[in-house]
Amino acid sequence: DAKTTQPTSMDCAEGRAANLPCNHSTISGNEYVYWYRQIHSQGPQYIIHGLKNNETNEMASLIITEDRKSSTLILPHATLRDTAVYYCIVRVSNYQLIWGAGTKLIIKP
Amino acid sequence: EPEVTQTPSHQVTQMGQEVILRCVPISNHLYFYWYRQILGQKVEFLVSFYNNEISEKSEIFDDQFSVERPDGSNFTLKIRSTKLEDSAMYFCASSDLSGGVEQYFGPGTRLTVT
Repeated sequence: DAKTTQPTSMDCAEGRAANLPCNHSTISGNEYVYWYRQIHSQGPQYIIHGLKNNETNEMASLIITEDRKSSTLILPHATLRDTAVYYCIVRVSNYQLIWGAGTKLIIKP
Repeated sequence: EPEVTQTPSHQVTQMGQEVILRCVPISNHLYFYWYRQILGQKVEFLVSFYNNEISEKSEIFDDQFSVERPDGSNFTLKIRSTKLEDSAMYFCASSDLSGGVEQYFGPGTRLTVT
């Protein structure tokens, strides 16, 4: 079973920051948090991952709480093309990603 | 930009038939994966493959499933005797030497079993 919980859906205005929360209260010390997204009818796309520290790349920022029980993905300037289902995933091994139901993010003009 | 490709994009088959889904991972990647997504449901891990053998598999990946890397470029998923409940999108993914940190997914094959 998925080790993460996320809101089912969220809206965000175009150009604003989209903040997507995720709870992973049972995460173990060596388990990474990953974020992927899936634009309708396409394969999932990697966004970012982290263990303890906050991370930033060209797509997004990942803020992980000090106790590691939750995290937030931030898309700093959302565009219409960011409309997708966003998955917060805990990697349980070197190979296996356990997926939850994700958050459907709708960017509105 | 290199990408994972999958063929066919859509496969229709009759129950009980064998199907082979094909994937071409990114050329310098060494770790390969299959996932499936039943319509409207979450993505489910099936199997991972490294160094010409299965490294991990889920409970879904039973004896009717097999994977193979028949040559230096292709990675295949075979379903021996398809069932109605095998209807799903099947995604192939690959990752590089870092051991699965960032997985690149293909566009998927939609399998419809009638």
